[in-house]
Amino acid sequence: AQSVTQLGSHVSVSEGALVLLRCNYSSSVPPYLFWYVQYPNQGLQLLLKYTSAATLVKGINGFEAEFKKSETSFHLTKPSAHMSDAAEYFCAVNQAGTALIFGKGTTLSVSS
Amino acid sequence: SAVISQKPSRDICQRGTSLTIQCQVDSQVTMMFWYRQQPGQSLTLIATANQGSEATYESGFVIDKFPISRPNLTFSTLTVSNMSPEDSSIYLCSSSSGGLYNEQFFGPGTRLTVL
Repeated sequence: AQSVTQLGSHVSVSEGALVLLRCNYSSSVPPYLFWYVQYPNQGLQLLLKYTSAATLVKGINGFEAEFKKSETSFHLTKPSAHMSDAAEYFCAVNQAGTALIFGKGTTLSVSS
Repeated sequence: SAVISQKPSRDICQRGTSLTIQCQVDSQVTMMFWYRQQPGQSLTLIATANQGSEATYESGFVIDKFPISRPNLTFSTLTVSNMSPEDSSIYLCSSSSGGLYNEQFFGPGTRLTVL
């Protein structure tokens, strides 16, 4: 069975600081991994995805994530946080032909 | 990417009634999914809506409570039946074109409050 664990339900950073949101996965076969963002009262937007083509994945809004098989991790980073990055972030996993399984989510707060 | 719309965007319903949520995709898609997001929680998969056959439900969800239709490759409905306050959630529709990476796109969600 597949699963993802997001470490830290709430992360607070200052504007301009590094953003690091942690995600570890469990899968018996090579997984597809995704990060989604949900702004208040909105649906989910895809930030980036790992599909085995490259271990460092660049997404929208300056976010990137690195797939580390040895650590079973897919952490999301952004070098410099912006106030508009405040949102809920979800890590998700699936395999071909199956639905996404989501982590519990991490709320990112950005202070000025 | 697919663009997904849902109706209604929100509703307030009385206990014991039913609500049908519609999901429309702007292109033909292989797979459609329904998720529930309870207040302050993550997304939980309710079922996979299969075109031309019955939906496949996840553990803890049953067809009598959440009947699903998928009449074609662009449309699906989810009914929340005999509602109770515990059904108050955001219900999200999602689609995937299948293929190698199985990327999913999400609708804006339907915010349901049951009194």
